[in-house]
Amino acid sequence: DAGVTQSPTHLIKTRGQQVTLRCSPKSGHDTVSWYQQALGQGPQFIFQYYEEEERQRGNFPDRFSGHQFPNYSSELNVNALLLGDSALYLCASSLDTSSYNEQFFGPGTRLTVL
Amino acid sequence: QKEVEQDPGPLSVPEGAIVSLNCTYSNSAFQYFMWYRQYSRKGPELLMYTYSSGNKEDGRFTAQVDKSSKYISLFIRDSQPSDSATYLCAMGYNTDKLIFGTGTRLQVFP
Repeated sequence: DAGVTQSPTHLIKTRGQQVTLRCSPKSGHDTVSWYQQALGQGPQFIFQYYEEEERQRGNFPDRFSGHQFPNYSSELNVNALLLGDSALYLCASSLDTSSYNEQFFGPGTRLTVL
Repeated sequence: QKEVEQDPGPLSVPEGAIVSLNCTYSNSAFQYFMWYRQYSRKGPELLMYTYSSGNKEDGRFTAQVDKSSKYISLFIRDSQPSDSATYLCAMGYNTDKLIFGTGTRLQVFP
């Protein structure tokens, strides 16, 4: 089992550009969540996708958007990049059940905005 | 005020010491409480989770939740150099949207 995989590992962009990050969930998982982790901070919830729909959203602007595909993989898109968007972007997958849904995290994509 | 407060450390202890890590929170509706460990350049991995109040033990790790005080703790017994990492507390109304603390950096020296 490959676990949660993310691509690319690192990315450098300039202000104003757009970026797409990708995530493949752990085998058997149907739910994908995205988090932003700034340096020295804990992860902050961006949004969660289930059944190809955004189910929950954190306090992030509309510049942050996402998509989930029928195979449960997901993309995070960020438009009009700002310097403050520089962070580690983490994807977490889980299996939707009626009780506790453990989130398994990927290694993250480190985005640097210059 | 942040919903979850965690001392960023760093915390430096000798091998074999008992480590105590703590978080406080402000939202009494939180029901799920987790501790994650994050090594440098890696994603967080779940160590312990607790639903509502009480204690939970797993090997050298013990998690405690005191909902009346809005305070959670993680104890690590017989700490090892391999325990050196950042420890993140996380909590939520459900297990979908997790609210994390800033993380405490722990260094265990031989």
